[in-house]
Amino acid sequence: TQLLEQSPQFLSIQEGENLTVYCNSSSVFSSLQWYRQEPGEGPVLLVTVVTGGEVKKLKRLTFQFGDARKDSSLHITAAQPGDTGLYLCAGALGNQFYFGTGTSLTVIP
Amino acid sequence: DADVTQTPRNRITKTGKRIMLECSQTKGHDRMYWYRQDPGLGLRLIYYSFDVKDINKGEISDGYSVSRQAQAKFSLSLESAIPNQTALYFCATTPRPGQGDPNEQFFGPGTRLTVL
Repeated sequence: TQLLEQSPQFLSIQEGENLTVYCNSSSVFSSLQWYRQEPGEGPVLLVTVVTGGEVKKLKRLTFQFGDARKDSSLHITAAQPGDTGLYLCAGALGNQFYFGTGTSLTVIP
Repeated sequence: DADVTQTPRNRITKTGKRIMLECSQTKGHDRMYWYRQDPGLGLRLIYYSFDVKDINKGEISDGYSVSRQAQAKFSLSLESAIPNQTALYFCATTPRPGQGDPNEQFFGPGTRLTVL
């Protein structure tokens, strides 16, 4: 059983559309990270959220941490082909990190 | 040069063989991790180490062992490989608190392992 569930698992959209990816759990995390991974490479950190209710923006990407620190969302505005990749959430629990199941995003030009 | 390197990048082996995957880092981080990635399952933690004398099991340590030879080196071994260990393996590092952001993991490029 995965500690963190992401939805959707796959997403294919047209350039310019908006999208939201969700990361849900029944566990409370001390922090939550979002990573982006491209084929043949390791994940690269996009953002860390620490405080319940926290919202962080990174250009066209908006990240939100749930009030109870059990869930998070990633919203992309006006998606571009360069946003294509695998998006992973990860939660810190004790000394370990637990990763979500991943969302594979394809942005069609 | 890459901060976290893994060797080999690709490996095909047969059931029952012993395999070692190696990870080196030049970031000076104390903490190192080994994960495997399978489609639809994300990354799962195999082992982690917070310094040379510290080794801890992760979610899925059965069938694997590790060695922390130095601060910069962390190796993963499959003593007797089996087909369901076919996966993409990643090494990662994080700084300890005070050394940097302990929530930020830096990943190597991965090793694609196929067990026939």
